Amino acid sequence: DSGVTQTPKHLITATGQRVTLRCSPRSGDLSVYWYQQSLDQGLQFLIQYYNGEERAKGNILERFSAQQFPDLHSELNLSSLELGDSALYFCASSKGTGDGYTFGSGTRLTVV
Amino acid sequence: QKEVEQDPGPLSVPEGAIVSLNCTYSNSAFQYFMWYRQYSRKGPELLMYTYSSGNKEDGRFTAQVDKSSKYISLFIRDSQPSDSATYLCAMSRGSGNTPLVFGKGTRLSVIA
Repeated sequence: DSGVTQTPKHLITATGQRVTLRCSPRSGDLSVYWYQQSLDQGLQFLIQYYNGEERAKGNILERFSAQQFPDLHSELNLSSLELGDSALYFCASSKGTGDGYTFGSGTRLTVV
Repeated sequence: QKEVEQDPGPLSVPEGAIVSLNCTYSNSAFQYFMWYRQYSRKGPELLMYTYSSGNKEDGRFTAQVDKSSKYISLFIRDSQPSDSATYLCAMSRGSGNTPLVFGKGTRLSVIA
């Protein structure tokens, strides 16, 4: 157990639908990062939150949004889902002091 | 040109061999360099974390960074079948509060 908890582990949904992925960071970590992993693109950075505030944005589609709550857990919202959104979505957290980034076990999203 | 290039393999070696994995990068602002191991359908696990140029050793693993050549390496000595996984290089500009940029990963198989 890495200390980063992601739920659900698997999600199957239809095109056009909306889903919410949840991440609880490691205790004491203030930064949360969301990544998308597909076979052809590898791990792509989506968005970072630090202590409740958006810190950096990567290749995140406008249909996707995220937030970090006062208890530091984060949610990634994916809407108007397309077949191409099928991927593994990972959350990572860090303290921001140079000790690396810890990943959760991911949510496997399948859009049918 | 992608920021981080990594040969996807696959790489197949006999048990006990020395494995060399490499990445090149183009952004000279990268200061922190990491290697992650990812087993199939699992989250990436941090193996090595280094700052700037130099070597770092941890058991059977050695990480090398050559910033002048924008080249990083991971060596695995006495490779074991349990080392069979995908190895991802990652790097960032900051010390744990900036997003990681990943290579696509090299798939390694160690044959008993």
